[in-house]
Amino acid sequence: EAQVTQNPRYLITVTGKKLTVTCSQNMNHEYMSWYRQDPGLGLRQIYYSMNVEVTDKGDVPEGYKVSRKEKRNFPLILESPSPNQTSLYFCASRETGSNTEAFFGQGTRLTVV
Amino acid sequence: QKEVEQNSGPLSVPEGAIASLNCTYSDRVSQSFFWYRQYSGKSPELIMSIYSNGDKEDGRFTAQLNKASQYVSLLIRDSQPSDSATYLCAVRSNDYKLSFGAGTTVTVRA
Repeated sequence: EAQVTQNPRYLITVTGKKLTVTCSQNMNHEYMSWYRQDPGLGLRQIYYSMNVEVTDKGDVPEGYKVSRKEKRNFPLILESPSPNQTSLYFCASRETGSNTEAFFGQGTRLTVV
Repeated sequence: QKEVEQNSGPLSVPEGAIASLNCTYSDRVSQSFFWYRQYSGKSPELIMSIYSNGDKEDGRFTAQLNKASQYVSLLIRDSQPSDSATYLCAVRSNDYKLSFGAGTTVTVRA
């Protein structure tokens, strides 16, 4: 089954404790991206990747890092989480030749206390 | 000004009626427009895309685009309780940037 898999689904952590949210897709998609979703603000892009070793900032990259060492994986790293990063996070991918993200992960609800 | 604006709702419609959702965008060079449906606690699901002025129909859904007015809409005909969800408008201004509205919550009452 074609899918984007995120882990964990839920995470509660403390301020400053480094964490990684994993994202993996099994469709050989070149393009992957990370979004955060907050009430009243919609989905905002954090980072995107056009291919292996090619990443770029989205609209709200501050406080986040990403890496793309393999085509299937695109982890989101919070080096020093803060309460304002409490949000719902989605990883997404796009088929080559498509112009929109059609495959989203299940979401990761992160709470930073 | 937000790049993509939608009425937050909630929009309540009776079963069988037409639900009309509106979206405006600020970047005049935008070329691609999308509607996603998001059920509570779930991830967004792409339901419609439109690229040229006019109407595009897919089943009970019709997307309408007016680039001169920078306006895109979604009509849901014969609304069903299963259509109750938040609908997200998204606009692509270049190959990499997809901007989303905050979403309109639709409730279809039986």
